[in-house]
Amino acid sequence: AQSVSQHNHHVILSEAASLELGCNYSYGGTVNLFWYVQYPGQHLQLLLKYFSGDPLVKGIKGFEAEFIKSKFSFNLRKPSVQWSDTAEYFCAVNEGNSGYALNFGKGTSLLVTP
Amino acid sequence: DTEVTQTPKHLVMGMTNKKSLKCEQHMGHRAMYWYKQKAKKPPELMFVYSYEKLSINESVPSRFSPECPNSSLLNLHLHALQPEDSALYLCASSPQGARGYNEQFFGPGTRLTVL
Repeated sequence: AQSVSQHNHHVILSEAASLELGCNYSYGGTVNLFWYVQYPGQHLQLLLKYFSGDPLVKGIKGFEAEFIKSKFSFNLRKPSVQWSDTAEYFCAVNEGNSGYALNFGKGTSLLVTP
Repeated sequence: DTEVTQTPKHLVMGMTNKKSLKCEQHMGHRAMYWYKQKAKKPPELMFVYSYEKLSINESVPSRFSPECPNSSLLNLHLHALQPEDSALYLCASSPQGARGYNEQFFGPGTRLTVL
């Protein structure tokens, strides 16, 4: 069965620090990859997605992610975090052209301190 | 209209009550989903409707009953729930039916408390 692993469950950073959140998946076929963010008290919002093409994808609010097929990874990055980036971050995967639902990782809770 | 709306925002119900959660989207999306999310956990898929037909039921107890009256509306009927069913219930939709190259757009959720 397909699985999604997020290695960092809790991350604390100071403002202006760089961020990298890890995401690995187990499925060997074609996958679609997503990062969602959930700000405190708010609903899930899509940060960025990868379907095909350039493996470096840019999303909203200065986030980017790189798909490395050989490593089954889709890590999220941001060069300089802000206090407003404090949120729960979820990596999600579904299978190529046949997968229905999203398989979510367990999430990473990011706290950015002033 | 580029959002998924859900009502009510909060719901408190007893174990013998019958209630319904509603979800609506006017983006012309052809797939709609129900997820359950516990605090600090990822969403767990419950049901998928694709082109108004139930495509997936992820072994959800029969006390949860989904309904898709039309392509814009999705309901979740609740009956005889248990306290452990208390959670945030999320609705999502995706443009092209449930398969494949589809991002899902999430609603704000209904916070359900079962007493």
